[in-house]
Amino acid sequence: AQSVAQPEDQVNVAEGNPLTVKCTYSVSGNPYLFWYVQYPNRGLQFLLKYITGDNLVKGSYGFEAEFNKSQTSFHLKKPSALVSDSALYFCAVPDSSYKLIFGSGTRLLVRP
Amino acid sequence: SQTIHQWPATLVQPVGSPLSLECTVEGTSNPNLYWYRQAAGRGLQLLFYSVGIGQISSEVPQNLSASRPQDRQFILSSKKLLLSDSGFYLCAWTNQRLTGVTYEQYFGPGTRLTVT
Repeated sequence: AQSVAQPEDQVNVAEGNPLTVKCTYSVSGNPYLFWYVQYPNRGLQFLLKYITGDNLVKGSYGFEAEFNKSQTSFHLKKPSALVSDSALYFCAVPDSSYKLIFGSGTRLLVRP
Repeated sequence: SQTIHQWPATLVQPVGSPLSLECTVEGTSNPNLYWYRQAAGRGLQLLFYSVGIGQISSEVPQNLSASRPQDRQFILSSKKLLLSDSGFYLCAWTNQRLTGVTYEQYFGPGTRLTVT
């Protein structure tokens, strides 16, 4: 069965510093992996996806994610965090029925 | 481009009252549609999904039901609300013709339901 795990409930980072939000996966076959962001009282917004090819995927709002097959990880990164990046982040993977399996979410707090 | 609407945005209902939440998608045809519930601003629970008109799959047996009367309309209902039905309800869509084999989903703005 497909699954993803987000080991950190919350990540704190100072504005201007690089940020990383972690995600590990367990999938059979070729992994398709997604990141979403949710701002307070809003729906989820699609950030980026990995299909195949380059291990570094670029997405919206300056975010990127690094696919690492040997570590079965798909960490979300940004070189310089903004206060406005504070939100809830989810990684996800589709299952065989085209439903999405979401991680538990990581709250990112960027301090001014 | 595609857009997804949900209404109402917020709703306060007494225990035992009925519920109807609506989701509509524009700019695509024959989408897969999904209802999720999010409690306490954290994890997402898939409630129902639909691959076509009148086709509903339930993920979790509970007090809710879903219907898809039109291709781009998805409705979440309850005959009698429980306190435990409170939460943030999200509708989402996907369409293989647009996403290819990855089937990423696109979400609506959500409905905040408080059952009192």
